[in-house]
Amino acid sequence: DVKVTQSSRYLVKRTGEKVFLECVQDMDHENMFWYRQDPGLGLRLIYFSYDVKMKEKGDIPEGYSVSREKKERFSLILESASTNQTSMYLCASRSDGVTEAFFGQGTRLTVV
Amino acid sequence: KQEVTQIPAALSVPEGENLVLNCSFTDSAIYNLQWFRQDPGKGLTSLLLIQSSQREQTSGRLNASLDKSSGRSTLYIAASQPGDSATYLCAVRPSGNTGKLIFGQGTTLQVKP
Repeated sequence: DVKVTQSSRYLVKRTGEKVFLECVQDMDHENMFWYRQDPGLGLRLIYFSYDVKMKEKGDIPEGYSVSREKKERFSLILESASTNQTSMYLCASRSDGVTEAFFGQGTRLTVV
Repeated sequence: KQEVTQIPAALSVPEGENLVLNCSFTDSAIYNLQWFRQDPGKGLTSLLLIQSSQREQTSGRLNASLDKSSGRSTLYIAASQPGDSATYLCAVRPSGNTGKLIFGQGTTLQVKP
């Protein structure tokens, strides 16, 4: 079975902190994604990566950056956390081609 | 711009009922459509993937159909159980992009014992 693992289930951070969310997949997938999920807004794409060191902005990249130094790992970075970044963050991966996407268990981030 | 809508937003049924969840999308140019399940506070679990050339997919008590020309998909759940209670999300992958999924808002299902 494909496994997408996010490093934390719950995080509480202070405003202004630099925050790292880590995601690891074990199926050698080329593509990895970061979404955030908010009530009433659904899932929105923040960034995605289609290869090592390659990244593209999604719909809401402001305030975020990403890093993909190894194929299996995709990190989301909040440069200076703000309260409006309190959300559920979901990582996903998918192989090339017209294939299924797999999601991690989610990280509930609270910025106080 | 592709938009995905799921109706109803919430549904409550007694155990044992067969039920249908609906998903509609505005642009028929898609690679595939995927149905997910999400339990409260958890991530998304993939249920079924339908390619644009397919009409339906089945897995156990679940059957998903796709009518691309009319922009509709349905998820049929047979003999519902309390353990089926969750939020069900559909997502389309539009043609011609690098893999972004566009999600509906979900249908929250409660199956009462």
